[in-house]
Amino acid sequence: AQRVTQPEKLLSVFKGAPVELKCNYSYSGSPELFWYVQYSRQRLQLLLRHISRESIKGFTADLNKGETSFHLKKPFAQEEDSAMYYCALKGSSNTGKLIFGQGTTLQVKP
Amino acid sequence: GAGVSQSPSNKVTEKGKDVELRCDPISGHTALYWYRQRLGQGLEFLIYFQGNSAPDKSGLPSDRFSAERTGESVSTLTIQRTQQEDSAVYLCASSLAVGERGNEQFFGPGTRLTVL
Repeated sequence: AQRVTQPEKLLSVFKGAPVELKCNYSYSGSPELFWYVQYSRQRLQLLLRHISRESIKGFTADLNKGETSFHLKKPFAQEEDSAMYYCALKGSSNTGKLIFGQGTTLQVKP
Repeated sequence: GAGVSQSPSNKVTEKGKDVELRCDPISGHTALYWYRQRLGQGLEFLIYFQGNSAPDKSGLPSDRFSAERTGESVSTLTIQRTQQEDSAVYLCASSLAVGERGNEQFFGPGTRLTVL
């Protein structure tokens, strides 16, 4: 079964601390993984995708096929990073539909 | 340019009534998706359109749910005889094409449906 698990509902850190939002997936094949973010009173938007190997707003995520993980990391959290973060997997069909984790709320305290 | 828009932004209805939710995708986006987000949960896929055909309806939870798309633009999600468990935020997304690795889905603001 294709599944995405985000084990933490809430992650609370102080400004300047490192952040790691965990994401594990279940998928047979070559996965395509994404992180989406939803800031307060804004719509869901793409943060980064694993195939681009990019860093956005200081965030990076590395696909680890051995551990079936795609954790999101940032070395120094900022207050403006406070938001809801969703890990998503593109399903195996040709439809492009996304399978989402339940989301993690990141709270960065001053 | 304009992003994905959805209407209404909020809908309160009584159990047993029918509701229609509308999505206007980004112009030129051939792929359109509907998702549902219940309170405290992640997004669940409902249905996908390529143009005005729906090759994947696997996420529709029951035959009370249906959707259509006219041309390659507006889509309507209809829920008949609404139940309280239908209460959720319904999100629409569109993308340029399907099958291209990494193709980004752009989301609308959602319609919050409350069934009393």
